Amino acid sequence: GQNIDQPTEMTATEGAIVQINCTYQTSGFNGLFWYQQHAGEAPTFLSYNVLDGLEEKGRFSSFLSRSKGYSYLLLKELQMKDSASYLCAVRDSNYQLIWGAGTKLIIKP
Amino acid sequence: IAGITQAPTSQILAAGRRMTLRCTQDMRHNAMYWYRQDLGLGLRLIHYSNTAGTTGKGEVPDGYSVSRANTDDFPLTLASAVPSQTSVYFCASSDSGDGGEQFFGPGTRLTVL
Repeated sequence: GQNIDQPTEMTATEGAIVQINCTYQTSGFNGLFWYQQHAGEAPTFLSYNVLDGLEEKGRFSSFLSRSKGYSYLLLKELQMKDSASYLCAVRDSNYQLIWGAGTKLIIKP
Repeated sequence: IAGITQAPTSQILAAGRRMTLRCTQDMRHNAMYWYRQDLGLGLRLIHYSNTAGTTGKGEVPDGYSVSRANTDDFPLTLASAVPSQTSVYFCASSDSGDGGEQFFGPGTRLTVL
């Protein structure tokens, strides 16, 4: 079967750094996405990785290791507005997105 | 219209009733998707359409039907609603059907009693 695992919830302090991990087992791999979803709102695109390595975009970075079936999202200089759920999704061999249940990130002052 | 709109925003429905959730996009995207999101579960694909005139089944299609008569609209119909269909429904679109970056509508919160 296909499976994507993320921690259910994480807590971090404003101004700090947090790493959200995602491991996956899917039928084929054609890229990995991270989305942000604030409570009661729609998911919005954050990043996309298809090759191994780190992709940096401002305060957010995403890393991929295809051999390990592993990705992480790194958030730096945390702000209160970063409190949200972060969704990991893998594009499988049929080019459909398989979604993790999401990690709820709580930022404390 | 800017992006993707969904209607209604929320709805309470009696079991056994028929219901159509509406989705319209103005980005001229080829592909559109319907997901349901339940607490503790990831987004689950119900149906998708890679281009106008074609549709396909996703992970959880039973009890739902879709149509794609034109590029902009992708309605989702529940023929006879059941309580297990209580969920938040998101419509999304992408430029192509290869599962690239998807843009989501604001969602419809549906409660079936």
